[in-house]
Amino acid sequence: SQELEQSPQSLIVQEGKNLTINCTSSKTLYGLYWYKQKYGEGLIFLMMLQKGGEEKSHEKITAKLDEKKQQSSLHITASQPSHAGIYLCGAGDPSNTGKLIFGQGTTLQVKP
Amino acid sequence: DTAVSQTPKYLVTQMGNDKSIKCEQNLGHDTMYWYKQDSKKFLKIMFSYNNKELIINETVPNRFSPKSPDKAHLNLHINSLELGDSAVYFCASSQGQGSHEQYFGPGTRLTVT
Repeated sequence: SQELEQSPQSLIVQEGKNLTINCTSSKTLYGLYWYKQKYGEGLIFLMMLQKGGEEKSHEKITAKLDEKKQQSSLHITASQPSHAGIYLCGAGDPSNTGKLIFGQGTTLQVKP
Repeated sequence: DTAVSQTPKYLVTQMGNDKSIKCEQNLGHDTMYWYKQDSKKFLKIMFSYNNKELIINETVPNRFSPKSPDKAHLNLHINSLELGDSAVYFCASSQGQGSHEQYFGPGTRLTVT
């Protein structure tokens, strides 16, 4: 079965600093999905990556999928307190069921 | 205006009791899901329904039974609650059966004492 490992597990950064979260899959990814969870709330979809080498950006967040489609990174530029939360990467199952397999999450704190 | 709503938000109950969590989505989506997030924040799929039909049924104890009266609702009933059932349960929905872009509810924190 597919497993996703995220690193680091937790991260504390000063406001304004850049940071990167990594997600490594045990198998080739059919699709990779980044979600964010704020404390006490549900997950919010951020971005989807499907093609090897693909890169997408939304505001100050950039996500990349490597050419081999086994690793993804999420980069935040000039972090703000609003970026704080838990970031989860999810692997899409190709079985057309919508099944997502999640990594264990990376908890991000941004100090003002 | 809440897209995916769950009730209750918090649920504290004793071992052996039976409880239900309700979920409703007003997005017009066809597919709904239940996820469990454990104390280590690990999130795992439990069930999914597409137009009231069961699609995903992961290795979940028989004490857990999802029910979908219509495509806008997916409830989760749990019998004979155990300490290990304590977790946050999330409902989600998506436009199509195979869509991984899912919209999550705020979660229900279940505590079994």
